[in-house]
Amino acid sequence: AQSVTQLGSHVSVSEGALVLLRCNYSSSVPPYLFWYVQYPNQGLQLLLKYTTGATLVKGINGFEAEFKKSETSFHLTKPSAHMSDAAEYFCAVSDPFSGGYNKLIFGAGTRLAVHP
Amino acid sequence: NAGVTQTPKFQVLKTGQSMTLQCAQDMNHNSMYWYRQDPGMGLRLIYYSASEGTTDKGEVPNGYNVSRLNKREFSLRLESAAPSQTSVYFCASSEGQEIHEQYFGPGTRLTVT
Repeated sequence: AQSVTQLGSHVSVSEGALVLLRCNYSSSVPPYLFWYVQYPNQGLQLLLKYTTGATLVKGINGFEAEFKKSETSFHLTKPSAHMSDAAEYFCAVSDPFSGGYNKLIFGAGTRLAVHP
Repeated sequence: NAGVTQTPKFQVLKTGQSMTLQCAQDMNHNSMYWYRQDPGMGLRLIYYSASEGTTDKGEVPNGYNVSRLNKREFSLRLESAAPSQTSVYFCASSEGQEIHEQYFGPGTRLTVT
């Protein structure tokens, strides 16, 4: 079965530092890949997605992610962290064996803290 | 345009009680989903409805039932609540069965004592 691993349940960075949140998936068939962000007491909001084409994907709020098929990874980065980036981030993949591309498998999440 | 709305925002139930979580979307989306979120486990799919009139089980359907009332509304029912169902429940919708992004509601925080 498809699975998603997010390395590090908590990541702490200084304001202005690089943000790197890691995501690896298990499928041998390249899935569709997503990063969602959840601010406190809110629902999830899509940051960016990869379906086909260019492997470097840019999203909202200065985030980007690169799909690396050889490493089965889709790590999320932002060059310079801002205090407002503090949130929980979820990596998700589609399940190509579900009989339809309409189901997402989520990672456990990474809580990002940004300190002054 | 409110997007995806959920009611109630908070609920406390006693073991064995029943309740229905309501979800509605105003984006004319075909597909709708119910997830539960537990610490350290991400979101897990309970049920989904690919289109009006259809529903299917997700990863963790036991103890739940759903109704796709019409294109806009998708409800989740707990017939006999158990403490293991204490969680945050999210409803989501998407345009269709192709991989379109899912739009999430604000969630319902349920505690079963």
